[in-house]
Amino acid sequence: EIVMTQSPATLSVSPGERATLSCRASQSVGSHLGWYQQKPGQAPRLLIFGASARATGIPARFSGSGSGTEFTLTISSLQSEDFAVYYCQQYNDWPIFTFGPGTIVDIK
Amino acid sequence: QITLKESGPTLVKPTQTLTLTCSFSGFSLSTSGVGVGWIRQPPGKAPEWLALIYWDDDKRYSPSLKSRLTITKDTSKNQVVLTMTNMDPVDTATYYCAHLTGSFADYWGQGTLVTVSS
Repeated sequence: EIVMTQSPATLSVSPGERATLSCRASQSVGSHLGWYQQKPGQAPRLLIFGASARATGIPARFSGSGSGTEFTLTISSLQSEDFAVYYCQQYNDWPIFTFGPGTIVDIK
Repeated sequence: QITLKESGPTLVKPTQTLTLTCSFSGFSLSTSGVGVGWIRQPPGKAPEWLALIYWDDDKRYSPSLKSRLTITKDTSKNQVVLTMTNMDPVDTATYYCAHLTGSFADYWGQGTLVTVSS
């Protein structure tokens, strides 16, 4: 089973600042990597798929990069609605996919 | 537009079998490349994939839970059913179903909290 790790566990950022989140896979997942945002009491929302493609309706301030085992989610200028938990998830490894433990982005 | 909704009991007793139904609209599970999956999330923890089923009846299960899970689809009713046997308090979680395009979950239901307690 592929193990996903994320860093940092918590990221404190001021509104308007840039946030950079990291995700690492224990073995290569190619570009089969997605990023999800989750707010309290809500289901996760897909932000990025294929490591770098934005999902429908996702603002351009969200961008993803990386391949293989190292991935990054960048939020170029944090808005108030972006404070949430972010999960990466690989969907390369059958029979099932795995999420990382998450990064909490909170207000500095 | 694509919507999914989970339904089932909110409380089950240890050793009982949990049956959850995902009812969806806006897509067909007979369309090539489409799938529906089940994911659960214990309070305060990361989501965990449980099972998924594709349009061609290809089924995948979490290796650690495979012996307890069964996923089926009813294309005519637009439903996917997940059963999990021998429930335990550690299975307390919010259970989500999600639409898969290929291999990633792009639309999720609102989730249903299932508590396992005697």
